[in-house]
Amino acid sequence: RKEVEQDPGPFNVPEGATVAFNCTYSNSASQSFFWYRQDCRKEPKLLMSVYSSGNEDGRFTAQLNRASQYISLLIRDSKLSDSATYLCVVNRQGEGGADGLTFGKGTHLIIQP
Amino acid sequence: GAVVSQHPSRVICKSGTSVKIECRSLDFQATTMFWYRQFPKQSLMLMATSNEGSKATYEQGVEKDKFLINHASLTLSTLTVTSAHPEDSSFYICSAKGGPGANVLTFGAGSRLTVL
Repeated sequence: RKEVEQDPGPFNVPEGATVAFNCTYSNSASQSFFWYRQDCRKEPKLLMSVYSSGNEDGRFTAQLNRASQYISLLIRDSKLSDSATYLCVVNRQGEGGADGLTFGKGTHLIIQP
Repeated sequence: GAVVSQHPSRVICKSGTSVKIECRSLDFQATTMFWYRQFPKQSLMLMATSNEGSKATYEQGVEKDKFLINHASLTLSTLTVTSAHPEDSSFYICSAKGGPGANVLTFGAGSRLTVL
């Protein structure tokens, strides 16, 4: 099983729709989880951290299911500018904080007008 | 917020030459910087962890003699690809830990290396 696994997509979604991605991770001792956004040929940028209780930031909601070892990202009322690759990121070997991150390959999202 | 500057953004070189990429934290001190490589449609792969004033820690399978890392100050880390070959062509990205969100990584804009 890959350390961090995501459906690569692409997800083609009409503007205004709701879209959800899942990501699974293999290391049950992982402590920190993040969603990053990466635009084509650009560096990743932190979208949001993922907390055990779930967290929301505007149109974005992230949830963590430790028992099943998956993380989800929900985007409501999608905008054209949401088109990007979304990277699921998990810390390695149970280390807390931002060190030792493992990146998924990303899920490619295309919002269509 | 924290800013990481990476230079050059693009470089084309001939096979056998060496290329140096710089990563600077502009408004914060970064005791730890990370170097990643990303091939097309692949995930970011950590190459090495660079600690100021000490030797870098390389990930398994990354040749330390080929990818020289120097972290001589709290704001600068460099990656030198020595004797570059076409298979080294990739997107190299650095990141730094520190700044206002001390547990969050800030990424440089990346350097696209093409070896002819």
